[in-house]
Amino acid sequence: DGGITQSPKYLFRKEGQNVTLSCEQNLNHDAMYWYRQDPGQGLRLIYYSQIVNDFQKGDIAEGYSVSREKKESFPLTVTSAQKNPTAFYLCASSSQRAKPYEQYFGPGTRLTVT
Amino acid sequence: QKEVEQNSGPLSVPEGAIASLNCTYSDRGSQSFFWYRQYSGKSPELIMSIYSNGDKEDGRFTAQLNKASQYVSLLIRDSQPSDSATYLCAVNPPGYGQNFVFGPGTRLSVLP
Repeated sequence: DGGITQSPKYLFRKEGQNVTLSCEQNLNHDAMYWYRQDPGQGLRLIYYSQIVNDFQKGDIAEGYSVSREKKESFPLTVTSAQKNPTAFYLCASSSQRAKPYEQYFGPGTRLTVT
Repeated sequence: QKEVEQNSGPLSVPEGAIASLNCTYSDRGSQSFFWYRQYSGKSPELIMSIYSNGDKEDGRFTAQLNKASQYVSLLIRDSQPSDSATYLCAVNPPGYGQNFVFGPGTRLSVLP
């Protein structure tokens, strides 16, 4: 059963703590993405990776870090430098084999920082 | 700055009617366009992709693309209460590789 998994579903942290969100896919997709969604807003790209061991900053990368050591995994760390980390975090993946490069999303992680 | 605009709604239609959702984009060179459905509290789900001018139909859904006018629309025929959700338009602009620019979404409410 192919798909994208994210864990945990809900995450609560205190200010000043780093937190790592998990994203795993078994779709054999080369590209993976992290987005952030705030209430009533569209998706904003944090980081993306097109191949293993390579990733690029998106529009709002400040305060976040990622790694891509395996094709299947693309974890996101929300650091204490992120000013407003409370949001809904979405991981997506896409195949590079042919256009139109459709992106498929995992179920998301809702992070609350107090 | 690449922009994708959608009417935030809510758009209310009676059950059984046609719902029409519109999206305009700023970059004339954009080639690929996508519609996602997002239920409250859930992640976006891909409904359709389109990259040629004209209509593309899939069941009750029809995507319409007009590159000259820089808009893409989604029609939902025989709307059902289960179609009530936020619909996100995404565009793949030139020079963005595989990355998308998302619109803010239109909230659709189908009234029984």
